[in-house]
Amino acid sequence: DGGITQSPKYLFRKEGQNVTLSCEQNLNHDAMYWYRQDPGQGLRLIYYSQIVNDFQKGDIAEGYSVSREKKESFPLTVTSAQKNPTAFYLCASSSIYGYTFGSGTRLTVV
Amino acid sequence: DAKTTQPPSMDCAEGRAANLPCNHSTISGNEYVYWYRQIHSQGPQYIIHGLKNNETNEMASLIITEDRKSSTLILPHATLRDTAVYYCIVRVKGTGTASKLTFGTGTRLQVTL
Repeated sequence: DGGITQSPKYLFRKEGQNVTLSCEQNLNHDAMYWYRQDPGQGLRLIYYSQIVNDFQKGDIAEGYSVSREKKESFPLTVTSAQKNPTAFYLCASSSIYGYTFGSGTRLTVV
Repeated sequence: DAKTTQPPSMDCAEGRAANLPCNHSTISGNEYVYWYRQIHSQGPQYIIHGLKNNETNEMASLIITEDRKSSTLILPHATLRDTAVYYCIVRVKGTGTASKLTFGTGTRLQVTL
């Protein structure tokens, strides 16, 4: 079945460490996105990418970095510069027909 | 980017129709209205979308007003499994040809027995 895979589902890191969240899709979608969700809040866009080797900042890009070396993959790195990294992170992809979301990664920084 | 406004919460009795409103008064002529729902700690699930005509699928119906400034998502026979946060989203255009979703606060629908 086609879809988006985010791994791991739960991730724990110590403060000051960088951490990379994985996002892989086999839908052949060109566009991919990363969102952050805090408790009781909506989704805020971190980064998005239309094609390989191209990506754009979203509304809250500070403290995050991404790469898009392959069409299928769009990893997100949460750097030590991100002041409040503990959150639920969602990856999505889209085509002209619509958007598909992954199941999310819950990151906890202690 | 067009923004959306939704009530923060609604209740609905099981078996009854759930009507979820959304205002998008600054929507542009070529922007679509999308509805997604998110069950706790999962990724949002696509429900339905439309441009200006009413739409219906196996999950729901979407009614868009003639001036396109508001819409209503209708779940005809709500069940307990429909309890979720429902997002009304207007599809915007980013830089170049990229499209990105701007999410509002959503409506938390609680379906009760």
